[in-house]
Amino acid sequence: EVQLLESGGGLVQPGGSLRLSCAASGFTFSTYAMYWVRQSPGKGLEWVSGITGSGGATYYTDSVRGRFTISRDNSRNTLYLQMNSLRAEDTAVYYCARVPAGGDRFDFWGQGALLTVSS
Amino acid sequence: AIRMTQSPSSLSASTGDRVTITCRASQGISNYLAWYQQKPGKAPKLLIYGASTLQSGVPSRFSGSGSGTDFTLTISWLQSEDFATYYCQQYYNYPLTFGGGTKVEIK
Repeated sequence: EVQLLESGGGLVQPGGSLRLSCAASGFTFSTYAMYWVRQSPGKGLEWVSGITGSGGATYYTDSVRGRFTISRDNSRNTLYLQMNSLRAEDTAVYYCARVPAGGDRFDFWGQGALLTVSS
Repeated sequence: AIRMTQSPSSLSASTGDRVTITCRASQGISNYLAWYQQKPGKAPKLLIYGASTLQSGVPSRFSGSGSGTDFTLTISWLQSEDFATYYCQQYYNYPLTFGGGTKVEIK
C-alpha cells in the first residue's frame, strides 16, 4: 500500500525557516518524481515544487524560487522541503504527492502538514 | 502561467442527479488535464488524467472529456459520497496550475 507521511509542520515567525519531510513507503521511491503542493486555509491548491526520481532536476513555482529547496534521500525513502525566509502568505497545508511516469499528475497524496507563519 | 478557470464555483444537486463541471484553460493544453476530488480535511484524490482516463479504483460514474482548452467532468449518477470539491489541473507545462475548484453541495 502506497503511503506518504508528512512531518515537520508548525508555527514559525516571518523570516524564519522550517524543513518539511515526507516519508514514503509501499513503492519504489527512487523511480518516481515527487512534488509538493500547498493549500492555504479555505483556498485552492497551488503547486510548489517538484523533483525527479534521481534528484537530478528540480522545479519551483516563482513565488518560492530562491527561498525553498526541494531534495530527496532515496536511501531513506524521504522527500524534503527546506523553507527559508518564510512569509505570512506561505501559511498553508503542505502535501507531498507522487507523480507517475507519463505526465505530472498526482496519483497519491500525503495527509498534509500545516505551516503557519505568524508573529 | 496557464490559467485554469472552473465553472460553476459551486452547485447544489441531489443524489441521483447528473452533474457537469467545466474547466477552461487560458491556452491549449492538449489532453494534459487531471481532475481531483477533495473532501473537507482530506487530501485530494486523483479521479481522471489525460482528460478522460479513469484512475484505477475510481467509480465509472465519473467521466471526463475535452481537449485543447475546454474540458468537462461529469458525474452521471451523484451519490452521497460524491459531495466534495473538485479541481482540475493542467500538466502541459510549468508552473503546474489548478482551477479554483467547484464545490458540489447537497440540495
